[in-house]
Amino acid sequence: NAGVMQNPRHLVRRRGQEARLRCSPMKGHSHVYWYRQLPEEGLKFMVYLQKENIIDESGMPKERFSAEFPKEGPSILRIQQVVRGDSTAYFCASSPGLGLNGYTFGSGTRLTVV
Amino acid sequence: GQQLNQSPQSMFIQEGEDVSMNCTSSSIFNTWLWYKQDPGEGPVLLIALYKAGELTSNGRLTAQFGITRKDSFLNISASIPSDVGIYFCAGQPPDGGSQGNLIFGKGTKLSVKP
Repeated sequence: NAGVMQNPRHLVRRRGQEARLRCSPMKGHSHVYWYRQLPEEGLKFMVYLQKENIIDESGMPKERFSAEFPKEGPSILRIQQVVRGDSTAYFCASSPGLGLNGYTFGSGTRLTVV
Repeated sequence: GQQLNQSPQSMFIQEGEDVSMNCTSSSIFNTWLWYKQDPGEGPVLLIALYKAGELTSNGRLTAQFGITRKDSFLNISASIPSDVGIYFCAGQPPDGGSQGNLIFGKGTKLSVKP
């Protein structure tokens, strides 16, 4: 029973390129959450998705960031025209339903913008 | 927005010592969670607290949900080298946003005394 799978583990992009981070939730989990870990900060919530729906994107930057969770396949966090300040670790979590039961984090994707 | 103030920021432990850390907030939370994060990994849930006043143990770890619902503490008894890492408190506010939005403290970094 695999956990939450994030890939790639490490991603290097040049300024201006696009970054795509993937998250496959645990089997049976239909809710996905994205967080990023800012320097000297804890994790900051970005977006909450269910299959084909964005439920809460209150933590997403207004520009360049988008997320989706299609009917088939992993959830994708997309960052367009990356800048150096986007360099950090991005984590996704999944849960089987509403609430915190089974809420599990992946190992993260470390994005480095050069 | 709601914030969690976690202290201390860092601490050094000697094997066998007891460790204590806490989290406070100016607003109430419905749920308090304590996570541990090892380098290069995602947070792993240690203890979840769902009711004011609740005291819960998990092996050498004990955590309490404050009566006012605005604070929580985590104690580690008889620390061992593998306790080293970053510990985060996290809370879920009453409105829950989408019920998936967790707010994290900035973390307490546990290191071994030289």
